[in-house]
Amino acid sequence: NAGVMQNPRHLVRRRGQEARLRCSPMKGHSHVYWYRQLPEEGLKFMVYLQKENIIDESGMPKERFSAEFPKEGPSILRIQQVVRGDSAAYFCASSQQGWSNQPQHFGDGTRLSIL
Amino acid sequence: AQSVAQPEDQVNVAEGNPLTVKCTYSVSGNPYLFWYVQYPNRGLQFLLKYITGDNLVKGSYGFEAEFNKSQTSFHLKKPSALVSDSALYFCAVRDSASKIIFGSGTRLSIRP
Repeated sequence: NAGVMQNPRHLVRRRGQEARLRCSPMKGHSHVYWYRQLPEEGLKFMVYLQKENIIDESGMPKERFSAEFPKEGPSILRIQQVVRGDSAAYFCASSQQGWSNQPQHFGDGTRLSIL
Repeated sequence: AQSVAQPEDQVNVAEGNPLTVKCTYSVSGNPYLFWYVQYPNRGLQFLLKYITGDNLVKGSYGFEAEFNKSQTSFHLKKPSALVSDSALYFCAVRDSASKIIFGSGTRLSIRP
């Protein structure tokens, strides 16, 4: 499967624990975007990364959330000390170029549930 | 600031009838416009885009969209709906220098 791969598909955490969400972009894509989707709502941009660089993190909450896209390996979205309000579907997308007229390719998401 | 609006939360259409899902936008420069579809428990799938050129854009699964600059709209259309078209549809917009903004989505329900 050459598409965007996200894992895990479902993640359950208790309040106060850490959540790590992984995203492997499509082959040949070096630009990764993370979005959050609440039930019955649209996608909210969180962060845009290129290999080893955060390009735009204007949608990231100021605390507890961080993202990285190392030279080797998948992009990671990390949520520390999770709270009930973090429950959502988190989608990763990738593209060959940065913000451009090319469409983004999405993974199937990680559904995070906080107990 | 750029924005995109999908005024209808839900659209209901009988199978075989034409469908329209509405989208209006606001950008400071020339718009790049996209439509995506989302099936349950899946990510968004690209349907079509408008960058420049013909105002009528054809995309996947028989969908098309019409760019109307004067009305700042980019409505999604299909001449004959299928039950399998039932899904959540998102309009998205970006201008030449910034991120993509997604609409709140429209749930399309096609009854047999």
